[in-house]
Amino acid sequence: DGGITQSPKYLFRKEGQNVTLSCEQNLNHDAMYWYRQDPGQGLRLIYYSQIVNDFQKGDIAEGYSVSREKKESFPLTVTSAQKNPTAFYLCASRLTGVDYYGYTFGSGTRLTVV
Amino acid sequence: KNQVEQSPQSLIILEGKNCTLQCNYTVSPFSNLRWYKQDTGRGPVSLTIMTFSENTKSNGRYTATLDADTKQSSLHITASQLSDSASYICVVAEGAGSYQLTFGKGTKLSVIP
Repeated sequence: DGGITQSPKYLFRKEGQNVTLSCEQNLNHDAMYWYRQDPGQGLRLIYYSQIVNDFQKGDIAEGYSVSREKKESFPLTVTSAQKNPTAFYLCASRLTGVDYYGYTFGSGTRLTVV
Repeated sequence: KNQVEQSPQSLIILEGKNCTLQCNYTVSPFSNLRWYKQDTGRGPVSLTIMTFSENTKSNGRYTATLDADTKQSSLHITASQLSDSASYICVVAEGAGSYQLTFGKGTKLSVIP
């Protein structure tokens, strides 16, 4: 089945550590996105990528980094510079130029700082 | 600034009853409006997508309406089931090639027996 897979489902990070969240899709979608979800707030865009080897900052990119070396993969690194990383992280993808059909979301990764 | 406001923030209803969730937006230019269902600890799943010219769209027991003139949308759930307990998120996409999304904060629905 085609879909978008995020791993791990739960992740614990110590203060000062970098951690990487995985996002893989086999939908042949061009664009991929990372969102952060906090309780009582709408999803906020961290980074997005429309094509391989290119990505753009979203509204809250500080303390995060991404890469897009393959069409299928868009990993997110939460660096030690992100002061409040505990949140639910969602990856999404879509076909560019076909906006009507919307975004497909992964199941999310819950990151907790310990 | 583009905004999407949802109401109520939370709602508790008895199983079998109907309910309606509201979404008001100020996004411009407008491309389309989507309703997503998000179970706790899971990613959002699309229920409906409507463009400017569509007034209503159904997906089983879910019916979404859109009034592009007043910039309002509603999601009506008929004969609610316990499995309908989730957060329902209204998302508006910008037009003119932007494709940027503005998310509402969601309505948390609890269906109780």
